[in-house]
Amino acid sequence: GAGVSQSPSNKVTEKGKDVELRCDPISGHTALYWYRQRLGQGLEFLIYFQGNSAPDKSGLPSDRFSAERTGESVSTLTIQRTQQEDSAVYLCASSLGYMENTEAFFGQGTRLTVV
Amino acid sequence: AQKITQTQPGMFVQEKEAVTLDCTYDTSDPSYGLFWYKQPSSGEMIFLIYQGSYDQQNATEGRYSLNFQKARKSANLVISASQLGDSAMYFCAMREQGGTASKLTFGTGTRLQVTL
Repeated sequence: GAGVSQSPSNKVTEKGKDVELRCDPISGHTALYWYRQRLGQGLEFLIYFQGNSAPDKSGLPSDRFSAERTGESVSTLTIQRTQQEDSAVYLCASSLGYMENTEAFFGQGTRLTVV
Repeated sequence: AQKITQTQPGMFVQEKEAVTLDCTYDTSDPSYGLFWYKQPSSGEMIFLIYQGSYDQQNATEGRYSLNFQKARKSANLVISASQLGDSAMYFCAMREQGGTASKLTFGTGTRLQVTL
């Protein structure tokens, strides 16, 4: 596709369940990022991929959060045993490279609600 | 210390007027990039403008310009001739070159409301 695609766009889950969020970056983009945005707040960095490896996963809030990327393409963010504080919009972005002058293009996000 | 600071949680501007959104940053990396993104109520993040640390001139993109003052470590966004459609959240972000820390770090944002 032409842009970054995220699915699902909305997810409502029960507390304690696991969820998987998917990101399809722009074709050819080697860098991929996950951010979390709580209601009315800024973007909180979670993890960054260069190719299939994650040189920076410093933002993952707990061991319930994990992410992987395969084929230098699709990435999946998994949240295990979801808690209510995990409710947020999860944004994925990709960029052509990791140099300081490459802008990131964002998907529409997945709105996660934990009830 | 905050990497990116946006001190204006909310701003109002009248249609057709210019507005400046403030952004200061903190880095010891000599090579870095500064970005502004717009987030309308629909939630998408829209890239607006980029300024490189070595760029001699201020960046401009249509009605957007970046007032880059390197010694002050500020990168303010100027929107000229504001339109109602400019009402949105605006985020300043920085990417540093050093090491593997090439993630985009965002400020807390400024909500701009354009009035008639």
